Amino acid sequence: EAGVVQSPRYKIIEKKQPVAFWCNPISGHNTLYWYRQNLGQGPELLIRYENEEAVDDSQLPKDRFSAERLKGVDSTLKIQPAELGDSAVYLCASSFFQGAGDEKLFFGSGTQLSVL
Amino acid sequence: AQSVAQPEDQVNVAEGNPLTVKCTYSVSGNPYLFWYVQYPNRGLQFLLKYITGDNLVKGSYGFEAEFNKSQTSFHLKKPSALVSDSALYFCAVRDGSNYQLIWGAGTKLIIKP
Repeated sequence: EAGVVQSPRYKIIEKKQPVAFWCNPISGHNTLYWYRQNLGQGPELLIRYENEEAVDDSQLPKDRFSAERLKGVDSTLKIQPAELGDSAVYLCASSFFQGAGDEKLFFGSGTQLSVL
Repeated sequence: AQSVAQPEDQVNVAEGNPLTVKCTYSVSGNPYLFWYVQYPNRGLQFLLKYITGDNLVKGSYGFEAEFNKSQTSFHLKKPSALVSDSALYFCAVRDGSNYQLIWGAGTKLIIKP
């Protein structure tokens, strides 16, 4: 079974430039998450999708971040314009959510973003 | 508010010795507790979870964790450490009514031969 696939693996950009990350979740998983992980910290949720609907985007900085999940499968996270403080690892995860909240998440390898 | 604390940034254990990675939590309702592991250059992997029932839960790679309600703790344990257990370990908690996972800052586990 293929795992969660993320690309690119690394991205280096200058501040004020746009950047996009792509995620392909595990087939059949209805829930997709984008997390940001700063060095020495745990993951911080940016947005959670159930199928095509963004059900929790309360921590997404909407002035510069946007996300979409096409047809309830692949997802793209975009930052425009990027700031120095956006340097972090961006993680995508998926799960099969059945309402109990006890499902395990499957993570991709992440995209390490460096903003110069 | 929900919170998770992993009080140790790093834990050093000799191979073959037992290991414990500590986690304490705060939630408003019944907790759903998880441990994940992150190996270098790899994504986070699920290890085990506690939802209800027996306070001692067993997971992948010989790990287990003990839920202690009175101490609001969920410590990760393994009877005999392997060098290959060296990784970053994260504790996470979710209360029964809120689907958002709150993550600890992680504990780096180093197993020395």
